[in-house]
Amino acid sequence: DIQMTQSPSSLSASVGDRVTITCRASQGISSHLNWYQQKPGKAPNLLIYAASSLQSGVPSRFSGSGSGTDFTLIISSLQPEDFASYYCQQSYTTPRTFGQGTKVEIK
Amino acid sequence: QVQLVQSGAEVKKPGASVKVSCKASGYTFTTFGISWVRQAPGQGLEWMGWISAYSDNKNPAQNFQGRVTMTTDTSTRTAYMELKSLRSDDTAIYYCARDVKGMGNFDYWGQGTLVTVSS
Repeated sequence: DIQMTQSPSSLSASVGDRVTITCRASQGISSHLNWYQQKPGKAPNLLIYAASSLQSGVPSRFSGSGSGTDFTLIISSLQPEDFASYYCQQSYTTPRTFGQGTKVEIK
Repeated sequence: QVQLVQSGAEVKKPGASVKVSCKASGYTFTTFGISWVRQAPGQGLEWMGWISAYSDNKNPAQNFQGRVTMTTDTSTRTAYMELKSLRSDDTAIYYCARDVKGMGNFDYWGQGTLVTVSS
């Protein structure tokens, strides 16, 4: 199975901050990488697919980049509604696997 | 609008089975697949498998092979996931998610079904 490793596991940030979350795959996955946001008590929500494509309806302050084994999710200016957990997920092969998550908390 | 509505919470004893439903609306059911993902309390996300709503294809995750059965009923636009031989570590929220042609991009999710396994 492909292992997905996110860093950091958690971070504290303020409204307006630029936030960067990284995800590393245990083997190359081309651009088959998705990012999800999950708020407490809610289902995950697709933010970015194919490493850098913004899902319809997602604010443009979210962006993704990377290919191969290293990927990045950037929130350009953190908003109050962005405090949540974020997960990367590879869609290169089955079983689909997720990173362990990054919790973004209010500083 | 696309919606996936799941069945309600379940409490089961160890060794029992549970069947969770996921009713789709707002899109052509037979042009997509459904993946099942679970999340243990306070933990991350674990993919359980995928089933096509337009063919006989399905792909259960190795970790669940032999215990999970995924089915669809196109007449009612509903997907089902049955998990057998439940253990306490199967306690989790179970989600269905629309899977774009089995490509592993989960663009719409159900609200989740809490399954509690306890004696």
